[in-house]
Amino acid sequence: GDSVTQMEGPVTLSEEAFLTINCTYTATGYPSLFWYVQYPGEGLQLLLKATKADDKGSNKGFEATYRKETTSFHLEKGSVQVSDSAVYFCVLSGTYKYIFGTGTRLKVLA
Amino acid sequence: DGGITQSPKYLFRKEGQNVTLSCEQNLNHDAMYWYRQDPGQGLRLIYYSQIVNDFQKGDIAEGYSVSREKKESFPLTVTSAQKNPTAFYLCASSRGGLADSYEQYFGPGTRLTVT
Repeated sequence: GDSVTQMEGPVTLSEEAFLTINCTYTATGYPSLFWYVQYPGEGLQLLLKATKADDKGSNKGFEATYRKETTSFHLEKGSVQVSDSAVYFCVLSGTYKYIFGTGTRLKVLA
Repeated sequence: DGGITQSPKYLFRKEGQNVTLSCEQNLNHDAMYWYRQDPGQGLRLIYYSQIVNDFQKGDIAEGYSVSREKKESFPLTVTSAQKNPTAFYLCASSRGGLADSYEQYFGPGTRLTVT
C-alpha cells in the first residue's frame, strides 16, 4: 500500500544553517505531495505542495521538489531561523487516503 | 477570516463518560475529517465526511461516532467504548474528497485527557 517515510528527529541546527528533511514515498498512481508544519500545541499548517513529477513547491524560504525517479520529496531551507522550530510532516494523497509521515522535530538554536 | 475552529482547546473527562468535540468551518468545504495524534506518531484518520448526511469510517473508528447535519459542522463524540481516548484531536476540511488530492486545512486541535 501507499506509504511515507520521513527521517527521524529531532534535528538540531544553529540559526542560519542549511536544512534538509528527507521524505520518500511509495505509491500507486500519481499522488500529490505536501509538507505541513505544526507548532507546539497547534494544528497543522500547509507549508507547500506539489501535484506532479518535477513540480517544485516553495513557501517562506522552504522548497521541495517532487522527484518521481527517486520517489522523494525532501524539504530544504537555505538558512533556518529560531522561529522555524516545529514539527514537519510529509504527506501523500494516496488512493482515497491521505498518508502522513511520523513527523520530524526541528529545533533551531540561536 | 475563513478557517476551522475547534472547541474547547483542552478537555478533561472521567473514564466512562462520553464527550463531544466541536468542529466548525466557514471555508465552504465539502469534505471534513477527524484525526487523532499521539506522541511520536503520524495522524490517524478516525472518520471523514464528503457531503452532508454522509460519513465513512477511517482507520481507527472504533469507540467514536460523528454526525454531519450541516455543511459547516462535524462534531466528534468519544464514547466510553474507546479504550485509550487521551490524545490530541484534529479536525480538517478540504474542497474536495479523498479522491481529489486537495490540500487539507486544519483546526487548532483539542487535547482530551481522560482519567
